[in-house]
Amino acid sequence: EPEVTQTPSHQVTQMGQEVILRCVPISNHLYFYWYRQILGQKVEFLVSFYNNEISEKSEIFDDQFSVERPDGSNFTLKIRSTKLEDSAMYFCASVGGNYEQYFGPGTRLTVT
Amino acid sequence: AQSVTQPDIHITVSEGASLELRCNYSYGATPYLFWYVQSPGQGLQLLLKYFSGDTLVQGIKGFEAEFKRSQSSFNLRKPSVHWSDAAEYFCAVRALAGGTSYGKLTFGQGTILTVHP
Repeated sequence: EPEVTQTPSHQVTQMGQEVILRCVPISNHLYFYWYRQILGQKVEFLVSFYNNEISEKSEIFDDQFSVERPDGSNFTLKIRSTKLEDSAMYFCASVGGNYEQYFGPGTRLTVT
Repeated sequence: AQSVTQPDIHITVSEGASLELRCNYSYGATPYLFWYVQSPGQGLQLLLKYFSGDTLVQGIKGFEAEFKRSQSSFNLRKPSVHWSDAAEYFCAVRALAGGTSYGKLTFGQGTILTVHP
């Protein structure tokens, strides 16, 4: 069964550093999403992406965040200058014709 | 804006007992509703979904959920819980986006299920 993959599984970075989280969505999907889950809290929507542009973003998704699909398979989330409060699990998801969102296993980002 | 409430933060049941996890949603139109399960350190796995039609939906691992429009609820049930069901369960609602069905998911805060042997 096709699945969404994410790398790395765990990223440790220092405050102020840039990080790029990578996702490979399911190959025939066209809609892509990033969510995050701070430890002990609910899963929160960050951004959705379709047709090579952002279709919706939350108030969390400020100028420090960016997304792109640099090629036909990868979908990346960049945090330009990480803050302590960016520490969270970041999930990528993609949607196909059955409207189901398939989630990747997540990247745990730890900012020190 | 849509919202989801899961009133129970933590539920403990004995193995073999029945289970019901509550979910209430707020959304102005007919919602698309989902239940996901998350094991520790793992991603989110879709258990079941409701889009339209029969209000009782069956999912994987023996779970079912019933959509009740009058109560704005979408409770998850399982007749006999197994130890492997211990996990965190999230209810989610999806709004339409630009007239499509590809909008973001809004999640509840989750219910942690503990299963006693």
